[in-house]
Amino acid sequence: AQSVTQLGSHVSVSEGALVLLRCNYSSSVPPYLFWYVQYPNQGLQLLLKYTSAATLVKGINGFEAEFKKSETSFHLTKPSAHMSDAAEYFCAVTGRGGSNYKLTFGKGTLLTVNP
Amino acid sequence: EADIYQTPRYLVIGTGKKITLECSQTMGHDKMYWYQQDPGMELHLIHYSYGVNSTEKGDLSSESTVSRIRTEHFPLTLESARPSHTSQYLCASSHPSGQGSDTQYFGPGTRLTVL
Repeated sequence: AQSVTQLGSHVSVSEGALVLLRCNYSSSVPPYLFWYVQYPNQGLQLLLKYTSAATLVKGINGFEAEFKKSETSFHLTKPSAHMSDAAEYFCAVTGRGGSNYKLTFGKGTLLTVNP
Repeated sequence: EADIYQTPRYLVIGTGKKITLECSQTMGHDKMYWYQQDPGMELHLIHYSYGVNSTEKGDLSSESTVSRIRTEHFPLTLESARPSHTSQYLCASSHPSGQGSDTQYFGPGTRLTVL
């Protein structure tokens, strides 16, 4: 069984500040991990995913995430926030093999960027 | 760029009505999914399909039904809508990414309100 915990339902940063969105996972097998972004009134868009090729994963729009097995974490970061980054962010985990289609999502973190 | 479409985007309907939410993708993906999303909550998988004539229920029990007669089309039907069905419904499709994990692409969603 897999689960995801996103710490902080709402994160507020100033434009130009570091963005850090936290995600911890629980999985009985080595996981695949994903970050999705959802802009208002839109569907989810994949930001990046971890598939064990490299622990530091770079995604779109300047975001990156680091897989830390010892901490069971996959936190999302961006060095400098932009107003257009304001959205809801979802961390998700899936298993391997036959169950790799089943995404388990966290509850999401709403990112607000202040001018 | 993923091409997955959902109609209608918004639907307000009275109790007891039969409704069908449409989902189509033009990417030739074999796998398709329906998720239910409530505000401040994680997405829950309610139906999925591996291909034509293949449908399975997801983790969250739902009174809706689905069909997959064509690869590109995965409609969701509620025979008799109730206020408890009020939610956002997201459709997704996926293909094997070659890295052992499926990448799911999401449509814009249908926001359903049952009065």
